Amino acid sequence: GAGVSQSPSNKVTEKGKDVELRCDPISGHTALYWYRQSLGQGLEFLIYFQGNSAPDKSGLPSDRFSAERTGGSVSTLTIQRTQQEDSAVYLCASSTGLARNEQFFGPGTRLTVL
Amino acid sequence: KQEVTQIPAALSVPEGENLVLNCSFTDSAIYNLQWFRQDPGKGLTSLLLIQSSQREQTSGRLNASLDKSSGRSTLYIAASQPGDSATYLCAAPPGGGTSYGKLTFGQGTILTVHP
Repeated sequence: GAGVSQSPSNKVTEKGKDVELRCDPISGHTALYWYRQSLGQGLEFLIYFQGNSAPDKSGLPSDRFSAERTGGSVSTLTIQRTQQEDSAVYLCASSTGLARNEQFFGPGTRLTVL
Repeated sequence: KQEVTQIPAALSVPEGENLVLNCSFTDSAIYNLQWFRQDPGKGLTSLLLIQSSQREQTSGRLNASLDKSSGRSTLYIAASQPGDSATYLCAAPPGGGTSYGKLTFGQGTILTVHP
């Protein structure tokens, strides 16, 4: 079916506002990942879901960041009280969760915090 | 902790040249390794996934090799074309022989193929 989709594609917000980023994984993929890509930092892992559970949240940079996944499908990444250093491209990926576990990425959400 | 390094950081070649991109990783007990392509302003496209039990994986003009003992992988691009211009990233899962969990990415190689 369709690939990983993310919305919005672009988000501009003011410092201090909350934002929500959405990820729709490939149908049937049980594993879902959030990464962040910023200039000078490369691609950083944020959080990993297996089903609705998050066995690895080690990459979330602060308690302003949270994520949830419902119905083993859609995931939302929420950033509270955004800061300028949160500006980045947020990428979502999904995989089957089986042994091969090849990850497929969405187009990303470009977040700009003014 | 898995660490991934890619060299060169940038590469500019004339069309038609064969080229090699290099990737090294610190935890050799990896289950597999993925190579991606990223075009400007776009997400990542998976090019090849090579399993630890394989030494090579091929897709069209692309060939990836994996040498776990030395902690290295190479991506070979044959007969390069201007459309191959992009950033190429390699990524490894955690060590310990598992494929599950986060990928650790290298910084990427920016490839420019000029006509």
